[in-house]
Amino acid sequence: GQNIDQPTEMTATEGAIVQINCTYQTSGFNGLFWYQQHAGEAPTFLSYNVLDGLEEKGRFSSFLSRSKGYSYLLLKELQMKDSASYLCAVTIRAYYKLSFGAGTTVTVRA
Amino acid sequence: DTAVSQTPKYLVTQMGNDKSIKCEQNLGHDTMYWYKQDSKKFLKIMFSYNNKELIINETVPNRFSPKSPDKAHLNLHINSLELGDSAVYFCASSSGGREDEQYFGPGTRLTVT
Repeated sequence: GQNIDQPTEMTATEGAIVQINCTYQTSGFNGLFWYQQHAGEAPTFLSYNVLDGLEEKGRFSSFLSRSKGYSYLLLKELQMKDSASYLCAVTIRAYYKLSFGAGTTVTVRA
Repeated sequence: DTAVSQTPKYLVTQMGNDKSIKCEQNLGHDTMYWYKQDSKKFLKIMFSYNNKELIINETVPNRFSPKSPDKAHLNLHINSLELGDSAVYFCASSSGGREDEQYFGPGTRLTVT
């Protein structure tokens, strides 16, 4: 199976930067997704990493180290609307499914 | 136009009843999924269909039976509902590749009393 760990909660101030770490242990690792989920809503896609390195998309960046089984999601210039749960999910080569971590709830304060 | 839709959005029912949740996607995707999100917000895959064929069947009680009449629809039928079935159920779809993002429906909040 997959063992995916991420912090339960993080709090940051508007305009600041927050880094959400995700570590995973899985055989046959293929790639890693980050999803955002606002309370009471569906998860929405943020990023996908399959190769080592940093992928930047506006205020959000995601990093992957396959050798370390580690990823992070970096949220810059935080806005109140970024208050949400951030879900790390891995795919393995043999299957179509996503295996999710428990999610990190980020609270942005004024 | 809604990409992935589910009905109903809310479902309140008593233990022992049988209920169905419907899902439709208009994205032309080949693969559809059912996920369960419990009260601790942990999102877990239940089933996946690719071109109407079951490809993932996680350890789910056989009271849960998915059905895919065509590529655009994946329904979930639940027999003999139990209190522990209370959760939010999300349908999702993707083009089918492992590297393809999944698009989630709005969720169905099931409450069993």
